[in-house]
Amino acid sequence: AQKVTQAQTEISVVEKEDVTLDCVYETRDTTYYLFWYKQPPSGELVFLIRRNSFDEQNEISGRYSWNFQKSTSSFNFTITASQVVDSAVYFCALSETLTTGNTPLVFGKGTRLSVIA
Amino acid sequence: KAGVTQTPRYLIKTRGQQVTLSCSPISGHRSVSWYQQTPGQGLQFLFEYFSETQRNKGNFPGRFSGRQFSNSRSEMNVSTLELGDSALYLCASKGGTGNEQYFGPGTRLTVT
Repeated sequence: AQKVTQAQTEISVVEKEDVTLDCVYETRDTTYYLFWYKQPPSGELVFLIRRNSFDEQNEISGRYSWNFQKSTSSFNFTITASQVVDSAVYFCALSETLTTGNTPLVFGKGTRLSVIA
Repeated sequence: KAGVTQTPRYLIKTRGQQVTLSCSPISGHRSVSWYQQTPGQGLQFLFEYFSETQRNKGNFPGRFSGRQFSNSRSEMNVSTLELGDSALYLCASKGGTGNEQYFGPGTRLTVT
């Protein structure tokens, strides 16, 4: 069975601090995808990144970086020099790849990030 | 390209009524999925449609149904509404070779 755990329910940081959002997943499949989404107060889920299980390279995109470690089943997300506009709920999600296609997204409970000016 | 659109954005219904929500995917995307988001249960998958066929279904009662049209637009219907159906209903579309889903702004349903 698939499961995604985001142990941090809420995090508050002061602007310009770095912050890491944790994500731990469970899957029996060897082929899967991991995702991060951002949900600002408007409600729309904004796609941030997709990573497949065969690609353990870390990725950096501007102030965002992602650390994927299969050995610990983790896919953590770091925001460097946080800004007030980063305030949102962040979701980690998992989708397995089966012979019949990809399974629906299974989401973690989300981490609410508040960046204080 | 225009993003995923959902109508209406807000809806207030009474217990026992039924409701239909609409979703237009990104142009060229053939897969449409629906998710329910509540404070207690978080984001839960409802169903996925691809080329007018239901491809996956989540663990929701039969009061929740959906369909997809030939232009990939999708509708979901909830009959005999219950208070617990109050939620944000999100639609997502997927296309091409990537597996990422792109979400619409959601429809916030309130059942009184």
